[in-house]
Amino acid sequence: QQQVKQSPQSLIVQKGGISIINCAYENTAFDYFPWYQQFPGKGPALLIAIRPDVSEKKEGRFTISFNKSAKQFSLHIMDSQPGDSATYFCAASIGNQFYFGTGTSLTVIP
Amino acid sequence: SAVISQKPSRDICQRGTSLTIQCQVDSQVTMMFWYRQQPGQSLTLIATANQGSEATYESGFVIDKFPISRPNLTFSTLTVSNMSPEDSSIYLCSVVGTSGNTDTQYFGPGTRLTVL
Repeated sequence: QQQVKQSPQSLIVQKGGISIINCAYENTAFDYFPWYQQFPGKGPALLIAIRPDVSEKKEGRFTISFNKSAKQFSLHIMDSQPGDSATYFCAASIGNQFYFGTGTSLTVIP
Repeated sequence: SAVISQKPSRDICQRGTSLTIQCQVDSQVTMMFWYRQQPGQSLTLIATANQGSEATYESGFVIDKFPISRPNLTFSTLTVSNMSPEDSSIYLCSVVGTSGNTDTQYFGPGTRLTVL
């Protein structure tokens, strides 16, 4: 059973546009929601994370929106750049147990 | 955060042979994890390696195929035994470290394995 569902599987965005990746979860015990960015040939790197007691977290061009009642959270990349082209994974955790989404391959076209 | 290194970074192996992947962390950590990531796919947890005890394997993974060692709090190895082309994948080591007051997961750069 997939604990975290991620969509879309792939996304193509024009340079300067907004990229939006969505995740949904079922287990209300999850208490930490990180996003990872993975470039080809590299391991996933922590990008930004949020706890369920806030509805939004922003770091530069990256924003997480969190909807606790809907059990959904999303990553927004503002002013998307070709250098943002990568695979993005959402995750949810309880303590040391992490559950990952299936990944979204983002391509930003110049 | 934690800095993780893996050796080798990539390898090409023959069917039926075994490869041992090393994972080194720059700080002591309680839990280390081994993941497999097949091309274009998500992260699949193979096992959790705790120092001083046997690794805990996820469904579909067995110790005979993926033996793991965890001799201390900064090092672990994963062996892929009796390899077949289906084992071609990226193998990732990860640890749980503390960022601020939150436990989060950090990944190594991965080992890209190709089995011919």
